[in-house]
Amino acid sequence: AQKITQTQPGMFVQEKEAVTLDCTYDTSDPSYGLFWYKQPSSGEMIFLIYQGSYDQQNATEGRYSLNFQKARKSANLVISASQLGDSAMYFCAMREGPNNNDMRFGAGTRLTVKP
Amino acid sequence: ETGVTQTPRHLVMGMTNKKSLKCEQHLGHNAMYWYKQSAKKPLELMFVYSLEERVENNSVPSRFSPECPNSSHLFLHLHTLQPEDSALYLCASSQDPEYSNQPQHFGDGTRLSIL
Repeated sequence: AQKITQTQPGMFVQEKEAVTLDCTYDTSDPSYGLFWYKQPSSGEMIFLIYQGSYDQQNATEGRYSLNFQKARKSANLVISASQLGDSAMYFCAMREGPNNNDMRFGAGTRLTVKP
Repeated sequence: ETGVTQTPRHLVMGMTNKKSLKCEQHLGHNAMYWYKQSAKKPLELMFVYSLEERVENNSVPSRFSPECPNSSHLFLHLHTLQPEDSALYLCASSQDPEYSNQPQHFGDGTRLSIL
């Protein structure tokens, strides 16, 4: 069963505007972590932001914030003030519980920032 | 500088060749991972090493053979590969894999093409 779903294969955003990338997940484990990664065309996966299932507040890291809606099992990434360098693939991922090495990734969303 | 270095960046090999992919992490982490990223498919976890012991092998064909001589180095030995094995192979490392809040840090990947 698909654990992580990213429904937007591609997204476009105008430079300097904000954009939301969707991610929904499926788990019955009360303890889990949600991650967002950026993959430029060079191939490297860059860690952006983390949200824990017990965290009371939405995570923020600079221009990145995570809109965490636990009841809906969604963890959308919000990028504010988009820059041309933000054009890349974005992956949502989840690790369930302690002592679990398995990180499940979504199919990704390709973001293109227009000048 | 990502902290995780993979060599080579590109590799083209015939189906009867034997080659190895190398990964080195400079982050002091104690877990290392191999992932396969094929076109239009989510990232697939192949192997996990924690404290130099293999803790996970996700039904990977025996033509892929991992080796972890120490906590900083990880190899993926390849032999008798098939055309469907052409993909981007990503190495990652993390600290304390037993905690779900630890992100994995990735290298740039090796793009493998099987002729």
